[in-house]
Amino acid sequence: GNSVTQMEGPVTLSEEAFLTINCTYTATGYPSLFWYVQYPGEGLQLLLKATKADDKGSNKGFEATYRKETTSFHLEKGSVQVSDSAVYFCALSALEYSGNTPLVFGKGTRLSVIA
Amino acid sequence: GAGVSQSPSNKVTEKGKDVELRCDPISGHTALYWYRQSLGQGLEFLIYFQGNSAPDKSGLPSDRFSAERTGGSVSTLTIQRTQQEDSAVYLCASSLIATSNTGELFFGEGSRLTVL
Repeated sequence: GNSVTQMEGPVTLSEEAFLTINCTYTATGYPSLFWYVQYPGEGLQLLLKATKADDKGSNKGFEATYRKETTSFHLEKGSVQVSDSAVYFCALSALEYSGNTPLVFGKGTRLSVIA
Repeated sequence: GAGVSQSPSNKVTEKGKDVELRCDPISGHTALYWYRQSLGQGLEFLIYFQGNSAPDKSGLPSDRFSAERTGGSVSTLTIQRTQQEDSAVYLCASSLIATSNTGELFFGEGSRLTVL
C-alpha cells in the first residue's frame, strides 16, 4: 500500500537556522509528492509539490526534491523565520488503474522557531 | 464563502450519542474529502466524493461512520453511537477536480469532536 513516513517532532530551531524535515514514502503506481503546512489556527494548505522523479518543488524559501532512488522528499529551508512555526505534512498521491488515489499524509512534524 | 466551511467548529458529546458534522466546499469544486486528524496519528483518509460517481468509502473505520453529499455540494459526516476513540479533529477538503497531479486540496479548519 501507499504510505509516508516523516521525522517525528517537535523540532525547535533558532531564527535563521537551517531546516531539514525528512520524508520517505512507499507507493504502488507513480506517486506525486507534496508538502502541506498547517499554521496555528488555520487549515492545511499546499506548500509545494513535485510530480516526477528529480523534480524540485519550491515556495516561500522552502524546497524539496523528488528522489526516486531513495524514495525521499525531504523539506529544506536555508534560513527559518519565526513565522515558519507550523506543522508540516508530507503527502503523496499515486496514479493507479482507477485514477489518482486520495492524498496519503504523514503524521506531521511540528516546527517551532524562536527569535 | 471563499473557503471550505465546516460546522460545528467544536462539538462535545456523550458516549453513545450520534453526531453530524457539516462541510460546505468551495463553490464549483467537484471533489470532496473527509479526513480525521488524531493526536500523534496524522491525517487519516475517511471518504472521498467525486462528482456523481460512487464515493470511495475505503477509509471509514467502522459502519458507525457514514457520509453523504447532497446535490454535489454540501456534505455531512455522521458518526453513530460515538465512542471515546472517535475524539479527533475531522477535516473536510475540496478540490476542483480529482486529486490528479495537482494535489491541491483546500482544507477547512476542521470540526473538533470530543466524546466524553
